[in-house]
Amino acid sequence: EADIYQTPRYLVIGTGKKITLECSQTMGHDKMYWYQQDPGMELHLIHYSYGVNSTEKGDLSSESTVSRIRTEHFPLTLESARPSHTSQYLCASSEYWQDSSYNSPLHFGNGTRLTVT
Amino acid sequence: AQSVTQPDIHITVSEGASLELRCNYSYGATPYLFWYVQSPGQGLQLLLKYFSGDTLVQGIKGFEAEFKRSQSSFNLRKPSVHWSDAAEYFCAVGSRDNYGQNFVFGPGTRLSVLP
Repeated sequence: EADIYQTPRYLVIGTGKKITLECSQTMGHDKMYWYQQDPGMELHLIHYSYGVNSTEKGDLSSESTVSRIRTEHFPLTLESARPSHTSQYLCASSEYWQDSSYNSPLHFGNGTRLTVT
Repeated sequence: AQSVTQPDIHITVSEGASLELRCNYSYGATPYLFWYVQSPGQGLQLLLKYFSGDTLVQGIKGFEAEFKRSQSSFNLRKPSVHWSDAAEYFCAVGSRDNYGQNFVFGPGTRLSVLP
C-alpha cells in the first residue's frame, strides 16, 4: 500500500535549475529519511529527521537541503542542479518510540528519478 | 558502527528452483534485521523482519529468513522461485541511537529468473 508518496516520479531538468522533490506520508511517522540510489547500487542516507523542525545530515555528503515543517511532509531541495545530481531519490519513514524496544521498519515511497542535463 | 555485506551481486535461478540469498552483518549488540525487495523503478518493499524470538521468520510472497547469531548471518530463502521474484534484494540492519533507529543497507543482490 502506498502510504508514502513521492512526486514527481520522473524529472528531467537543466543544469542550474532549482528543484524540490516532494515526499508526504499519511502514517503519522515521526522519523523520515532521504536516500540516494544510483542504478544497481546501494542506498546512501543523505538526510533524516526525527520530527518537526528536526533535520540531520546522513552518511553521504549531499548538496541538497531538507525541511520538516509538518510531520507528514519532508521535501528535498537542490538550489542549483548539476549532472552529478542525476540519481534516484527515495523517501522513507518509520515510527520512533522513545524508551521502547519497538523498532519500526522503514516504509518507502516509489522514488523520484532525477536526470540533470 | 554496523555494516552489512551481501556476497552475491547477481544470482540467476530457474523458475521453480529454490533460492538462498546471503546476508552477513556486523553489529555489537542485538541486531534488528530486515530484507527488502525492489522491483525496477520502484521503491523498496519490506519482505520480513527479525527483532527477537524465533530465529526463523516468515515473510510475504513465500519468503523466509533465518537468523544465525553464531555466523552473523540472516539469509533469505524461498523454496520455489516465481518469475515475478526477479528484482533487487537488500538486507538491512537497524540499530538504536539516542533518538531512534538508524538503518544500514547492504549493496543488494540482483535476482534473475530463467523461464
